[in-house]
Amino acid sequence: AQTVTQSQPEMSVQEAETVTLSCTYDTSESDYYLFWYKQPPSRQMILVIRQEAYKQQNATENRFSVNFQKAAKSFSLKISDSQLGDAAMYFCAYRRNRGAQKLVFGQGTRLTINP
Amino acid sequence: DGGITQSPKYLFRKEGQNVTLSCEQNLNHDAMYWYRQDPGQGLRLIYYSQIVNDFQKGDIAEGYSVSREKKESFPLTVTSAQKNPTAFYLCASSPRTEMNTEAFFGQGTRLTVV
Repeated sequence: AQTVTQSQPEMSVQEAETVTLSCTYDTSESDYYLFWYKQPPSRQMILVIRQEAYKQQNATENRFSVNFQKAAKSFSLKISDSQLGDAAMYFCAYRRNRGAQKLVFGQGTRLTINP
Repeated sequence: DGGITQSPKYLFRKEGQNVTLSCEQNLNHDAMYWYRQDPGQGLRLIYYSQIVNDFQKGDIAEGYSVSREKKESFPLTVTSAQKNPTAFYLCASSPRTEMNTEAFFGQGTRLTVV
């Protein structure tokens, strides 16, 4: 069974600094997607960034980028120039691309931005 | 506007009662999901459906039931067999095609047992 692990329950960073959130996953599949979702206090889930496993190039969306290490099954999120609005719960998620396409989430990391 | 709608936003249930949480989407998505969120435990999958009239158990299906009679709708029933139902419940949907796998979420239902 696929599992996703986020080992940092809480992280904090100074405004304008850079922070990296960790995520590891376990799968025997080779074709899958990985995601980072943000959940602000409103509890609305918002997609931050996604990575296709067969693409070697790391995905980037403005201040958000990932470090995807397929062999190590690692998928970290880097937030540059942190802003107060980045404060939220961040969830890493996995979805295989064939067969049962259930979306599996990690436990989440609560990110605090210090002004 | 296209989107996914959960109702109600808040729900109170007496012990021993069944309650049904609504989830409707107009995104023409094939796949739909139900998650439970407890503090410090992330999102745990209850049930998911990839096509009408078919659904599979997730990791914590005991005490819950679902139906998928229409593509747009995936209601979740919390039965009296669920021993600790107080939680935040999230519904999601996504296209089933491999080219676009982003899941869209509803705004959630907060269920409280009184």
